[in-house]
Amino acid sequence: LAKTTQPISMDSYEGQEVNITCSHNNIATNDYITWYQQFPSQGPRFIIQGYKTKVTNEVASLFIPADRKSSTLSLPRVSLSDTAVYYCLVGDAHTGRRALTFGSGTRLQVQP
Amino acid sequence: GAVVSQHPSRVICKSGTSVKIECRSLDFQATTMFWYRQFPKKSLMLMATSNEGSKATYEQGVEKDKFLINHASLTLSTLTVTSAHPEDSSFYICSAKLAESTDTQYFGPGTRLTVL
Repeated sequence: LAKTTQPISMDSYEGQEVNITCSHNNIATNDYITWYQQFPSQGPRFIIQGYKTKVTNEVASLFIPADRKSSTLSLPRVSLSDTAVYYCLVGDAHTGRRALTFGSGTRLQVQP
Repeated sequence: GAVVSQHPSRVICKSGTSVKIECRSLDFQATTMFWYRQFPKKSLMLMATSNEGSKATYEQGVEKDKFLINHASLTLSTLTVTSAHPEDSSFYICSAKLAESTDTQYFGPGTRLTVL
C-alpha cells in the first residue's frame, strides 16, 4: 500500500483558503486518492476522492499533478468548524476488500 | 446515502467482562466491513477486515481470540472485546465499503470503550 506523508499540523484564520499537500511517491496505477476529515470522538468523514487532475465538490477541491506523486486538498474560506484532522489516503479501487491505511494526518487549527 | 451506524456510542465496563459493539450499514449492503482502533491523539489503526459469511482477517498483533468479529449479514458486523482490560480502553470505529469496485470507505461514528 502506498505510504502517505502530510504535515503534522497547520494553522489558519477564518476566511482564508487552506491547502494541505500530501506526498505519495509510490502510488500505484490503480490507486485513487481519498481525503477524510475527523473531528474529536467522531468517525472520519469522506471529503473528496480523485484519480488525476482536479476534482471539485461542494466542500473542497483536490488537485493532482500529472505524476500523481502528490495531491493537494484545498479548503476555500475556512471557518472555525473546519478545525479537525485531515487524512490523505491512497488505495486500489479494484481490490475490493482491502482497507485503507491511515497515516498521521494533518491537524488543522482555524483561528478567529 | 452511505450511512454507517455503531451501537453503543459509549460503554463503560468492569475489567474482565465482555463488550459487544455493533456496526450497521443503514442504506446499503456491505460485503466487507473494517474495524479500527484509535487511541487519543493518534491515527486510526486497522484491527481486522470483516467479510460477510467468512472468518475475519486480523492485522498483525491483533489477538483474534480477544477481539471476536462476526459478520452475519450484509448490513451487520459485530466486534466483541472479550475479557476486557483497562488497556483495551479506546475509540473503536467501523467502516464499510459501498461497493467492491471502489475503495471509498464510509465510517461509523465510533464507540468509546472505557474499561475500569
